[in-house]
Amino acid sequence: DTGVSQNPRHKITKRGQNVTFRCDPISEHNRLYWYRQTLGQGPEFLTYFQNEAQLEKSRLLSDRFSAERPKGSFSTLEIQRTEQGDSAMYLCASSLDLGGAYTEAFFGQGTRLTVV
Amino acid sequence: AQRVTQPEKLLSVFKGAPVELKCNYSYSGSPELFWYVQYSRQRLQLLLRHISRESIKGFTADLNKGETSFHLKKPFAQEEDSAMYYCALGPKIIFGKGTRLHILP
Repeated sequence: DTGVSQNPRHKITKRGQNVTFRCDPISEHNRLYWYRQTLGQGPEFLTYFQNEAQLEKSRLLSDRFSAERPKGSFSTLEIQRTEQGDSAMYLCASSLDLGGAYTEAFFGQGTRLTVV
Repeated sequence: AQRVTQPEKLLSVFKGAPVELKCNYSYSGSPELFWYVQYSRQRLQLLLRHISRESIKGFTADLNKGETSFHLKKPFAQEEDSAMYYCALGPKIIFGKGTRLHILP
């Protein structure tokens, strides 16, 4: 499968624990996006990268959230000291930026986080 | 700031009737608009983008910069069109809250 891959697919954690999710984008894609989606809502933008550079992080995102893309390939999203309100589907997407014109964003299946 | 508004949470349409899903946006730069669709238990996928001006699965959307709108239209609804539809705005791809389209038999 050469699409966007996210691991794990499901994660159940206790409140206060740290969790880390991984996203493997389509190999030639230089842009990578993270979103959070709760029931009945559209995907909420969290952050995005161009290669290894984090271009923007949502102001809605607390300091407990951090994302990295160290070599411009895969990315990780870490949530520290999880809270019940963090329970959601976390989506990753990737696209190719051709210097102002870019291809569609392809989405992964998501990681469903449940904080108990 | 980028913002996308989809005013309808749910739209029910009879099979064979026309469909129009509304989308309005706010962006000071040159917008790039998309429609994404999510069928039951499947991942989000691109339906169409304004730059390509294509018709996909019978759907079309025209960018109206004067009204800052990008409404999605289809002349004759089919049962397989039932899904969640999201309007999105680039460059950092911000999504609206989505409209659930329900096609009635």
